[in-house]
Amino acid sequence: DSGVTQTPKHLITATGQRVTLRCSPRSGDLSVYWYQQSLDQGLQFLIQYYNGEERAKGNILERFSAQQFPDLHSELNLSSLELGDSALYFCASSVDGGSLNEQFFGPGTRLTVL
Amino acid sequence: GEDVEQSLFLSVREGDSSVINCTYTDSSSTYLYWYKQEPGAGLQLLTYIFSNMDMKQDQRLTVLLNKKDKHLSLRIADTQTGDSAIYFCAESGNAGNMLTFGGGTRLMVKP
Repeated sequence: DSGVTQTPKHLITATGQRVTLRCSPRSGDLSVYWYQQSLDQGLQFLIQYYNGEERAKGNILERFSAQQFPDLHSELNLSSLELGDSALYFCASSVDGGSLNEQFFGPGTRLTVL
Repeated sequence: GEDVEQSLFLSVREGDSSVINCTYTDSSSTYLYWYKQEPGAGLQLLTYIFSNMDMKQDQRLTVLLNKKDKHLSLRIADTQTGDSAIYFCAESGNAGNMLTFGGGTRLMVKP
């Protein structure tokens, strides 16, 4: 158990819908990262937040957004969902997102878009 | 942009050593990591190596880094069936932030 929790574990929805994925980082970790794992794209970095502020952005679509709240939990919002958004979404956390970036991953949320 | 490559599949017999290879292109990589993913689970950090090191040993795991060739390997000694999983190498640059992952190597251990 990494100490990072993600809810829900599974999510099934329809195209065009909007969903919110939730992540609670390990106690004491200030940085939260979101990754998407799909068969065709592999593991791709989406976005990072550090202590409530966006720090780095990767291959995140405009239909997707995220935020980190004062209690440091984070939410990833996916809207206007398409079939291709079906994937495993991982959240990871680290102490400070500095040079030695030991990221600890949650169990993931499996999103299925029908 | 950065690119990390791994072979797709490796099959070994229980008790043998496994060597999983990885190449990367980003010469500014500061740390390189190995993660393990078991079916239906998240990624577990196995070990990491700082870019100015050549080798790091941690129990059954040995990481070798050839910075000149940008080649990283993970050797698992006395491989067990419980080591069957997908292994990802990843790199992070000076800024820390994001990890760039390889495509993963599926290790199958036969009894």
